[in-house]
Amino acid sequence: KNEVEQSPQNLTAQEGEFITINCSYSVGISALHWLQQHPGGGIVSLFMLSSGKKKHGRLIATINIQEKHSSLHITASHPRDSAVYICAPRRDSNYQLIWGAGTKLIIKP
Amino acid sequence: NAGVTQTPKFRILKIGQSMTLQCTQDMNHNYMYWYRQDPGMGLKLIYYSVGAGITDKGEVPNGYNVSRSTTEDFPLRLELAAPSQTSVYFCASSSVGSETQYFGPGTRLLVL
Repeated sequence: KNEVEQSPQNLTAQEGEFITINCSYSVGISALHWLQQHPGGGIVSLFMLSSGKKKHGRLIATINIQEKHSSLHITASHPRDSAVYICAPRRDSNYQLIWGAGTKLIIKP
Repeated sequence: NAGVTQTPKFRILKIGQSMTLQCTQDMNHNYMYWYRQDPGMGLKLIYYSVGAGITDKGEVPNGYNVSRSTTEDFPLRLELAAPSQTSVYFCASSSVGSETQYFGPGTRLLVL
């Protein structure tokens, strides 16, 4: 079983919809990153969080360390949000990141 | 401000050939990383460095070598290329005290 599982693997939605991407992990972590990989391949960090909730524009990330679960929400989705969203928890034991396989999001106009 | 640059963008290698993937950052970051990304899979850490002269193995180091003679440069060497090394390679960097990693645009490598 993978140490990090993201769901769904693929998500297609209409412009304006509220989007939720989930990340579950099975190891002890001290923080978790969310990143965005553009269709051209470029990777950009979105959030790093260790508890609670963070918001940046239309993006909201939450984490529940006890339940080993994090979510990334996108409000008022737009076609430019189409990308792969990657969850990467930071392993407690050696501080290295464990990379999820990503959720491919397509927002249709 | 160029950030993290990688060369080449794309390369085809024959089995057994060698090559060096170049990575340079201009942000004076101490930490640098090499990842590979296989289709449909998460990134895997190949090697990382916490400063000039200091490198360490990641999750999948076999078949690769690195060096870090300067803060700016972190080249990745492939010796005796194999089809299993067909992948997209990303270099990243981060500063001390910050976990945000800045990624290069990637190098797509095809070994035939």
